Amino acid sequence: EVQLLESGGGLVLPGGSLTLSCSASGFTFGNFAMNWVRQAPGKGLEWVSSIGSHYGSPYYGDSVRGRFTISRDNSKDMLYLQMSSLTVEDTAVYYCATDVAGHISDWGQGTLVTVSS
Amino acid sequence: EIVLTQSPATLSLSPGERATLSCRASQSVSGSLTWFQQKPGQAPRLLIYDTSTRATGIPARFSGSGSGTDFTLSISSLEPEDFAVYYCQHRSSWPRVTFGPGTKVDIK
Repeated sequence: EVQLLESGGGLVLPGGSLTLSCSASGFTFGNFAMNWVRQAPGKGLEWVSSIGSHYGSPYYGDSVRGRFTISRDNSKDMLYLQMSSLTVEDTAVYYCATDVAGHISDWGQGTLVTVSS
Repeated sequence: EIVLTQSPATLSLSPGERATLSCRASQSVSGSLTWFQQKPGQAPRLLIYDTSTRATGIPARFSGSGSGTDFTLSISSLEPEDFAVYYCQHRSSWPRVTFGPGTKVDIK
């Protein structure tokens, strides 16, 4: 069974930084691309970033490009999202999700990031 | 950039009734459409991919159809656990993903 467990969320000041982690199990992590998707309180879903499988080419949504960095450690089955220059608009639940045959498939339970002074 | 519009925003139905949810793209989509279900306080769950293929474990009462700019998620007979928010999603080129705003199916 695929399991994804995000961690690292919390309260951060505007302009601050935070790194999210996603621990994967139940599948061969290195064989699959991965995604971060976020959801602001009471709002819909927004794609944030993706990373390829073996060679890990990163991709970003327009709203986070230049501020967020996605990475992965296939030896540890871990996915990361380094976030900097955070603004109140980045407040959201952040989900990691697998990419299977070109579509987003399994999701973690999410971790809440709150940017507030 | 393709924009997805979902209608209605809210659908009020009773258990046992049929639900028909619409997802319209701003231009014809060459790729396929994906549908997710999200219940309060939970992560989204994959329902349908490639427009009409049910994900593993998804009951047969859920079906997807459509092409071009118009897509539909149908729930043949609503069960109590089906009351939730449903999102459509399109990926025109990997990995950029576009989500619709969602349709809430609530109990009438």
